[in-house]
Amino acid sequence: NAGVTQTPKFQVLKTGQSMTLQCAQDMNHEYMSWYRQDPGMGLRLIHYSVGAGITDQGEVPNGYNVSRSTTEDFPLRLLSAAPSQTSVYFCASSYRRLAGAVNEQFFGPGTRLTVL
Amino acid sequence: AQSVTQLDSHVSVSEGTPVLLRCNYSSSYSPSLFWYVQHPNKGLQLLLKYTSAATLVKGINGFEAEFKKSETSFHLTKPSAHMSDAAEYFCVVSEARSSYKLIFGSGTRLLVRP
Repeated sequence: NAGVTQTPKFQVLKTGQSMTLQCAQDMNHEYMSWYRQDPGMGLRLIHYSVGAGITDQGEVPNGYNVSRSTTEDFPLRLLSAAPSQTSVYFCASSYRRLAGAVNEQFFGPGTRLTVL
Repeated sequence: AQSVTQLDSHVSVSEGTPVLLRCNYSSSYSPSLFWYVQHPNKGLQLLLKYTSAATLVKGINGFEAEFKKSETSFHLTKPSAHMSDAAEYFCVVSEARSSYKLIFGSGTRLLVRP
């Protein structure tokens, strides 16, 4: 299994440009999520999905869109990039939580995005 | 609302000495707690998790953590630091009733001196 994969690893954008960060997992996980990591702030949840066709907002959703058409893929779209979106982005996935269980979330290697 | 506070942004130890990384949490419900490690320019790896079974949790690479409800703490320890332990460590809380959402602490960077 490749686990959670993310592309690209690095990206530089100009203000106002759009792009999509790709995330895929081959573990048949129902739950997928996107986080951003900024210095001194840990990771913050952007959007998440509990299954194909279902998405919801996390802590910092503004400026980002997501969709979940398949179990495997969960792309993150920046419609009009801003310098404040310069960050490292991580995708994560896990099995659907059963009552009383806690499932580990598996993280991808990250995408380092710079917006000029 | 749930939250996590990592009490030290940086911890420096000598190789072979004990490691203590401190974490306090706040949660309205019975929490699930995790420690993740991030090596430079890498993704996050789960070290250990607390899920209301045993209060002393053993993880990978010799790390362990003790859940203390009375102190709302979940400190991470290791008896003897190794150079390869140098990394950033995150304490994470997940509400038992909505555990898809992880709340991260701000991280503790561990430096290991030779």
